[in-house]
Amino acid sequence: DVKVTQSSRYLVKRTGEKVFLECVQDMDHENMFWYRQDPGLGLRLIYFSYDVKMKEKGDIPEGYSVSREKKERFSLILESASTNQTSMYLCASSFSASGGARQTQYFGPGTRLLVL
Amino acid sequence: AQTVTQSQPEMSVQEAETVTLSCTYDTSESDYYLFWYKQPPSRQMILVIRQEAYKQQNATENRFSVNFQKAAKSFSLKISDSQLGDAAMYFCAYIAGGTSYGKLTFGQGTILTVHP
Repeated sequence: DVKVTQSSRYLVKRTGEKVFLECVQDMDHENMFWYRQDPGLGLRLIYFSYDVKMKEKGDIPEGYSVSREKKERFSLILESASTNQTSMYLCASSFSASGGARQTQYFGPGTRLLVL
Repeated sequence: AQTVTQSQPEMSVQEAETVTLSCTYDTSESDYYLFWYKQPPSRQMILVIRQEAYKQQNATENRFSVNFQKAAKSFSLKISDSQLGDAAMYFCAYIAGGTSYGKLTFGQGTILTVHP
């Protein structure tokens, strides 16, 4: 079974703190993704990575950065947390090759972040 | 830009009955894939069913089937013999084909309640 894990299920941080969210996958997937989930908005892509040390901005990258030093690990960084970054954060991974089955993304359990 | 729309924020069904969740999408691509994902209250997002746009036959996975209408850009999910464990948030999602790092575009989600 594909396994995608996230470092925390719940986090409470204060405004201005630096926040690290970590994601690890065990399927040797090339692609990794960070989404945030908000009611009524579905999931929105923050950043993705298609290889080690490679990253691309998604639809809402402002206020976030990412790091991918190893293939299995993808970190999301909030340099200075703000209250509007209170949300559910989901990590996902997939293979790089095109083709229906290989386009499937596998998700972690999510981290619910509260910024006070 | 591709968009995915789920017009039903909430749906409910009686146990053992059938329910259909609606999804429409907008794209100018000819090669793409469509997905339904399920997110139970535990928050782990899991794949329910996948449809390749080039396939005319509707995908089926046990009690789950889709009605894929390519010309109408419609992709509905039918759940037969509904069970209590089907209660979840359901997301419709789209990926353009032809790229090695496909980005998912999600709909807003539909909350499904199953009544015993």
